[in-house]
Amino acid sequence: DIQMTQSPSTLSASVEDRVTITCRASQSVSSALAWYQQKPGKAPKLLIYRASMLQTGVPSRFSGSGSGTEFTLTISSLQPDDFATYYCQHYNSYPLTFGQGTKVEIK
Amino acid sequence: EVHLVDSGGGLVQPGGSLRLSCAASGFTFSSHWMSWVRQAPGKGLEWVANINQGGSVEKYVDSVKGRFTISRDNARNSLDLQMNSLRAEDTALYFCARVDPGNGGYWVDWGQGTLVTVSS
Repeated sequence: DIQMTQSPSTLSASVEDRVTITCRASQSVSSALAWYQQKPGKAPKLLIYRASMLQTGVPSRFSGSGSGTEFTLTISSLQPDDFATYYCQHYNSYPLTFGQGTKVEIK
Repeated sequence: EVHLVDSGGGLVQPGGSLRLSCAASGFTFSSHWMSWVRQAPGKGLEWVANINQGGSVEKYVDSVKGRFTISRDNARNSLDLQMNSLRAEDTALYFCARVDPGNGGYWVDWGQGTLVTVSS
């Protein structure tokens, strides 16, 4: 199974900060990587697919990069609505697995 | 607009059974792989099962193989998850989700979730 590891687990930041979350795969997943945002009690929301493709309707301050085993999600200017937990997920092979999540908190 | 409505959750004793359902609307249900994804209280997301468009291919995470069965009824636009031999560690919020249009393996649309609690 491919293990996905995110860092950091928790991130404290202020509005308008630039934020970067890293996701590492235990073996190559090519570009088969998605990022989700989740708020408490809600379903996840797709932000990025194919490592760098912005899902329709997602603000352009979100961007993704990477391939193989190392990926990043960047929020260029953190907004109040962005305080949430973020998950990466690979879809290169079964089983589909997620990272453990990164909680973005208000500093 | 895509709409997925999860139902069927509840409290069940260890070793018991439960059947979850997901009612789909707003898209051509029979054209998409579908999934169940779960989240234990206070924990991260875990993929549970996938089923292909016609229902002939099923995939499961190892921890539920032999206990859970995913199925679909394309005539009724519905997705089910039959859960048998339930364990405490199956306690979670269960989401049905629509696999991306290219059937790549990520999820664009999600239900609201239905809570399963396994406890005596």
